[in-house]
Amino acid sequence: EVVLTQSPDILSLSAGERATLSCRASQSVNGDYLAWYQQTPGQAPRVLIYGASLRAAGIPDRFSGRGSGTDFTLTISRLEPEDFAVYYCHQYGSAPLTFGGGTKVEIK
Amino acid sequence: EVQLVESGGGLVQPGRSLRLSCTGSGFTFGDYSMTWFRQAPGKGLEWVAVIRHKGHGGTIDYAAAMKGRITISRDDAKSIAYLEMDSLKTEDTAVYYCGGGRGSYRTPWGQGTLVTVYS
Repeated sequence: EVVLTQSPDILSLSAGERATLSCRASQSVNGDYLAWYQQTPGQAPRVLIYGASLRAAGIPDRFSGRGSGTDFTLTISRLEPEDFAVYYCHQYGSAPLTFGGGTKVEIK
Repeated sequence: EVQLVESGGGLVQPGRSLRLSCTGSGFTFGDYSMTWFRQAPGKGLEWVAVIRHKGHGGTIDYAAAMKGRITISRDDAKSIAYLEMDSLKTEDTAVYYCGGGRGSYRTPWGQGTLVTVYS
């Protein structure tokens, strides 16, 4: 099983700042099939990034993903008020599919 | 527009069964693998089951936590994926979501359907 470890658990930042979220896999993610999801309270998770670096439809270009193998990063270049949320990484390259524990981006 | 809509959730007693549906639109459903996920109240995201499209042999995988109690299936003619859940436990209480995938591409998820198992 590919275990995903996200860091930090909580990221306290102000609007306009840059956010860098990390996701580390216990073994190489097959095909770099790694996605990032954003979830705000009471809402369904929204896919931001798939295939490690491809932005999903309608996602602003301030969101970017990079990485391969075991180390992946989600960057939000300039935080907007609506970006304060919980972010999950997810590998779907091999079963069992797994998620990281999440990073909460909160207002400082 | 790619869209998925989950349905079939509700209140159920332990030991009972429930069948969830995931209806897709805006894409060629039969070309996509379909996956069920869940999220217990206040917890993180958890994968439940996947059924791959015919091009990938229609193979199925289940998460260990529910294996033996769930069956995933699909009806490509109707663009629906199903999740049959038996012998439900209180710890199965969660919002259940479905998502699709083709290669590296992931579709948006639906809004989810709430399953509450109460004693």
